[in-house]
Amino acid sequence: DQQVKQNSPSLSVQEGRISILNCDYTNSMFDYFLWYKKYPAEGPTFLISISSIKDKNEDGRFTVFLNKSAKHLSLHIVPSQPGDSAVYFCAARGGGADGLTFGKGTHLIIQP
Amino acid sequence: DTGVSQNPRHKITKRGQNVTFRCDPISEHNRLYWYRQTLGQGPEFLTYFQNEAQLEKSRLLSDRFSAERPKGSFSTLEIQRTEQGDSAMYLCASSKLGGHPNEKLFFGSGTQLSVL
Repeated sequence: DQQVKQNSPSLSVQEGRISILNCDYTNSMFDYFLWYKKYPAEGPTFLISISSIKDKNEDGRFTVFLNKSAKHLSLHIVPSQPGDSAVYFCAARGGGADGLTFGKGTHLIIQP
Repeated sequence: DTGVSQNPRHKITKRGQNVTFRCDPISEHNRLYWYRQTLGQGPEFLTYFQNEAQLEKSRLLSDRFSAERPKGSFSTLEIQRTEQGDSAMYLCASSKLGGHPNEKLFFGSGTQLSVL
């Protein structure tokens, strides 16, 4: 059973527009959520995180929103830049385990 | 700070052979994690160490897998009697005690294992 779901395998966005990546989770015990970015042939890189006690966290062009009642979070990137083209993973911590649970990832493609 | 280093980058082996991977974390990082990633999937947690103590193991870590971190610095992951299903990218990550667990994990570039 997949506890962290990223239902869009890929997303194409025009440069300068907003990119919105979505993530759903099923385990209500998750208390911390993170987004990682991965380029080919590299390991994932931490991007931004949010605690379950908050509903929004912002860092420059990146904002993460958390809707606990819907068990949904989203990552907004604005404005989108060519260097943002990568695979984005949503991850969650908690539920009695220290290891992170990752989604399958969304491949974001920024088109010029 | 040279980042998390993993060796080798690629490993091709025949089914039934044993393989060992090495991970050198960022110096002064006392937490070290192993993850596995297969095509089209996100990284899956395998195990983690705090200093030399192995604190958690996933059920994915069968008895053919063993991880060590003998001196609390580098770590090795050994797979015995490899199977084709073991083919994956093996990722190592580290973080510093005092920060939120799993926050800002620094990942290495991984070891790509292919079992023929």
